[in-house]
Amino acid sequence: QKEVEQDPGPLSVPEGAIVSLNCTYSNSAFQYFMWYRQYSRKGPELLMYTYSSGNKEDGRFTAQVDKSSKYISLFIRDSQPSDSATYLCAMSARTSNTGKLIFGQGTTLQVKP
Amino acid sequence: DADVTQTPRNRITKTGKRIMLECSQTKGHDRMYWYRQDPGLGLQLIYYSFDVKDINKGEISDGYSVSRQAQAKFSLSLESAIPNQTALYFCATSASGGQPEDTQYFGPGTRLTVL
Repeated sequence: QKEVEQDPGPLSVPEGAIVSLNCTYSNSAFQYFMWYRQYSRKGPELLMYTYSSGNKEDGRFTAQVDKSSKYISLFIRDSQPSDSATYLCAMSARTSNTGKLIFGQGTTLQVKP
Repeated sequence: DADVTQTPRNRITKTGKRIMLECSQTKGHDRMYWYRQDPGLGLQLIYYSFDVKDINKGEISDGYSVSRQAQAKFSLSLESAIPNQTALYFCATSASGGQPEDTQYFGPGTRLTVL
């Protein structure tokens, strides 16, 4: 079993829809949770960063962490065609200050005009 | 100019050839990483380096080697390439003590095909 599981999709939604992307994990030591966005033929770029449990909002994006359920989510409101990309969740346990990230497989999102 | 650059961007080679992928960064970060990305598998860590003298194996280091020539340069070598090493390779950097400390910045990737 992978430490981090993410549905690869693809997920196709109409413009303006609310999108929900999710990851589950098995390692209870994970404390830092990130979402990266990767456009086609580009490297991943950090989109959202959350420490421990709770919500974090940035514009149309909201990240949620539920450590009791080992479940994280990224919500995109009023989705736009420019949001079409692959979204990767990533996590860190911060043991020994290693800075190592464990990534999910990525979910491919297509927002249709 | 991009903060993290990778060369080459695309490479086609034959089984058994030695290949080197290079990564340079101008972010001043001390930590550097090499990942490979395969469809459906996400990003898998090959090697990582916390400074010039500190190099560590990642999840899938077999068949790969690395060299940290300077703080800004980290190279990945495939000593004898095989077809299942066909993948997209990414270099990344991060800063120790940065906020958030685990943020990694990725290069544009190298698409490697081994025939």
